[in-house]
Amino acid sequence: AQSVSQHNHHVILSEAASLELGCNYSYGGTVNLFWYVQYPGQHLQLLLKYFSGDPLVKGIKGFEAEFIKSKFSFNLRKPSVQWSDTAEYFCAVNADTGRRALTFGSGTRLQVQP
Amino acid sequence: KAGVTQTPRYLIKTRGQQVTLSCSPISGHRSVSWYQQTPGQGLQFLFEYFSETQRNKGNFPGRFSGRQFSNSRSEMNVSTLELGDSALYLCASRDLPYSNQPQHFGDGTRLSIL
Repeated sequence: AQSVSQHNHHVILSEAASLELGCNYSYGGTVNLFWYVQYPGQHLQLLLKYFSGDPLVKGIKGFEAEFIKSKFSFNLRKPSVQWSDTAEYFCAVNADTGRRALTFGSGTRLQVQP
Repeated sequence: KAGVTQTPRYLIKTRGQQVTLSCSPISGHRSVSWYQQTPGQGLQFLFEYFSETQRNKGNFPGRFSGRQFSNSRSEMNVSTLELGDSALYLCASRDLPYSNQPQHFGDGTRLSIL
């Protein structure tokens, strides 16, 4: 069965600090990878996705993620966070080119202090 | 284009009752999935419907059921409610099942069991 691990449960940063959130998955086959964000009181929104090709993918709001197949990782990065990035971030995996359900990590709560 | 619409936004029920939640997908999307979000278990997949048929199912008891109508709208039913069913229930839609396209989420229905 596929699973997703997000090791950072709660991260507190100051504005302009750099961000890296870890995500590791366990599945030996082909996967699609996603990062979703949930701002306070809002619905889950897609930040970025990886299907194939360039392992470095860029998303909205200056976020990017790198797929490292050998490490089964898909870490999310942003060079300089803003107060408005305060939210909960979820990594998700969809295996077998979508035939399996989306499996989410437990989420990382990011708090950016002004 | 309107997003995924879920109704109602909030529900309060007592143990033993049953509840029906509704979801209207994004126009043109024919696949609808349901997820349960709780602080302890995170986001867990319930089931996915396409063409009025359940295509995929998560690890939930039979008290959780769903259906999809010919216009792709979906309902989820929970019978014999338990305290542990208190959660945010999220609906997500995409164009097709088994697609690598990301799912788009609604705002959710927050169900509280007294």
